[in-house]
Amino acid sequence: GQQLNQSPQSMFIQEGEDVSMNCTSSSIFNTWLWYKQDPGEGPVLLIALYKAGELTSNGRLTAQFGITRKDSFLNISASIPSDVGIYFCAVNNDMRFGAGTRLTVKP
Amino acid sequence: DSGVTQTPKHLITATGQRVTLRCSPRSGDLSVYWYQQSLDQGLQFLIQYYNGEERAKGNILERFSAQQFPDLHSELNLSSLELGDSALYFCASSGSGTANEKLFFGSGTQLSVL
Repeated sequence: GQQLNQSPQSMFIQEGEDVSMNCTSSSIFNTWLWYKQDPGEGPVLLIALYKAGELTSNGRLTAQFGITRKDSFLNISASIPSDVGIYFCAVNNDMRFGAGTRLTVKP
Repeated sequence: DSGVTQTPKHLITATGQRVTLRCSPRSGDLSVYWYQQSLDQGLQFLIQYYNGEERAKGNILERFSAQQFPDLHSELNLSSLELGDSALYFCASSGSGTANEKLFFGSGTQLSVL
């Protein structure tokens, strides 16, 4: 099946820094989604992208649907301690998730 | 609160045993998905049901089975348990189960096989 390559695997940043992560695939998709999993909880949808080139924001979060339809990016600006968690990309064609980016924010 | 309810929250059992995990989807959602998350692993899709019928199958072992009942709740049965089955099992639901739909996850069942 299609592979979703998510990077980086983990990030350790200082509070206030910006964060960037991405997800790539060799296949084309019509939908990219970004979820966040808080420790001990299930993933929660952050942003959904439905069109190539689309740029969508949700507060300090901004995600983009790559123009080739094979990738997506998630940026978090001015990180805060509650941003800690695992961020997953997903494509809804086959319920597949990326391996996740584990974010640690140091106060 | 996502509206998806999973029970039990924690389950401890021994190798060779059989357990049943239960999931109630959000009110009105017809589709249920099961995922497995092992330590430091991503979310592995197991199986999807829509309105009582199996719709898609992922990396689900033959020792595992699931079903969705007429009231739309779902159960995941894990049998002949092995140490490697220890993981967090998530249920998610969506409205119609079609592509491009957002999933709403429960808080998971933590299974420990000793």
